[in-house]
This record gives sequence, C-alpha cells and structure tokens, in this order.
Amino acid sequence: KAGVTQTPRYLIKTRGQQVTLSCSPISGHRSVSWYQQTPGQGLQFLFEYFSETQRNKGNFPGRFSGRQFSNSRSEMNVSTLELGDSALYLCASRYTQETQYFGPGTRLLVL
Amino acid sequence: GIQVEQSPPDLILQEGANSTLRCNFSDSVNNLQWFHQNPWGQLIILFYIPSGTKQNGRLSATTVATERYSLLYISSSQTTDSGVYFCAVEIGDYKLSFGAGTTVTVRA
Repeated sequence: KAGVTQTPRYLIKTRGQQVTLSCSPISGHRSVSWYQQTPGQGLQFLFEYFSETQRNKGNFPGRFSGRQFSNSRSEMNVSTLELGDSALYLCASRYTQETQYFGPGTRLLVL
Repeated sequence: GIQVEQSPPDLILQEGANSTLRCNFSDSVNNLQWFHQNPWGQLIILFYIPSGTKQNGRLSATTVATERYSLLYISSSQTTDSGVYFCAVEIGDYKLSFGAGTTVTVRA
C-alpha cells in the first residue's frame, strides 16, 4: 500500500496570507491526525478526524481549522498567517490504535 | 494534560555502543509508541508498546505501565541510528502527546 502523502512538501507564505495543506491517508485508514512541529514547542497535536467528524482538537487558535472528506482525505487551513506558524506540519493516519503512520510533512515558512 | 519526559536530551555514541533511552509519563496510558525521526523529518514508528517488552532487530523496548515509564534499547549502534527518538502516549482521546525527544548521534 502507498504510504501517507502530504502536499505540498514545501511552502513559503507571507504574514497575513492563508494556507491549505492536504493529507491523503493510507487506503482503508479512516482516522487522520495533524501535528505541528517547531523547535521551541516540539510536536503538538492539532486535531483528529474520523469519518468526517472531528473527535479532538488541540490547543490552537481558531485560525487553525481542518476538515475530512468522505474518501478520508483531510485538509488543514491556517488563516492570517503569523511568523510563529512556521513549522513542519505532519499528518498521520491509522486503522487501529497500534498502526499510526506519519506522512513526510509539509514545511511551511512564513516571511 | 499528561506530561511526557524523555531522557537524556542528547546522546553521542561511538558506532557499536549500546544505549538506553527513557520515557516517563505522568498518568495511566492506553497507548505508548516510540518513533524515530530521520534528518528529513519523517517519523517512523518503532514500537507500539503500552506494556511489556518487544524486540525488533537491534532495537528493543520495555514499558512498565504500573510505574509509568518506558525504555528503548539500542544495541550495536550504527550511524543510520542517528536521529531523534520520540516517545508518545495517548490516554484514549485520539491524541498523541509527545516527549521532547532524545537526539542520538552515532559516530563512525
């Protein structure tokens, strides 16, 4: 099976813009989670979706939002970008609690 | 929320050496995983180990759930073992809480 794919892999934006990141889970996986990784805060949970429903949300401002489609693909959106949003954004998909697989990530740089 | 502490923060090894990484967590968990992050940022799951002991080649892990810690052992280290090792736990809320990681550097 193909692994988790994330697009784009790299992105440069300016402050105030918005961005949409995409994640395609492994075939058959219905749960998709998003994480933000920064040098200062480490890996932090953003949200988790299962069958198009958000089941949990991390401690991020409302500028961060997400959704999941009927084919389990997920998108996350960040509006009004700030310099501090520069990070590696990782998506993970899983079928069972034991099988959590991460994508290669999207590196976002906000100038 | 649950606290996850990893030690040591950094580890420098000579090729062939053995090492132990530790993960302490502050609450009962139903999911504990060890990951390796390579220099390109890819997180690879090493073990799903909420309790007990598992081995995979030169790597093994032990979780003592009653005492709230887990250990990752690297034996006969190789330069390809370099990277950051993360412990992550879940308390049933579909969210993994990660430790700060241990950066391992294996020198030839």
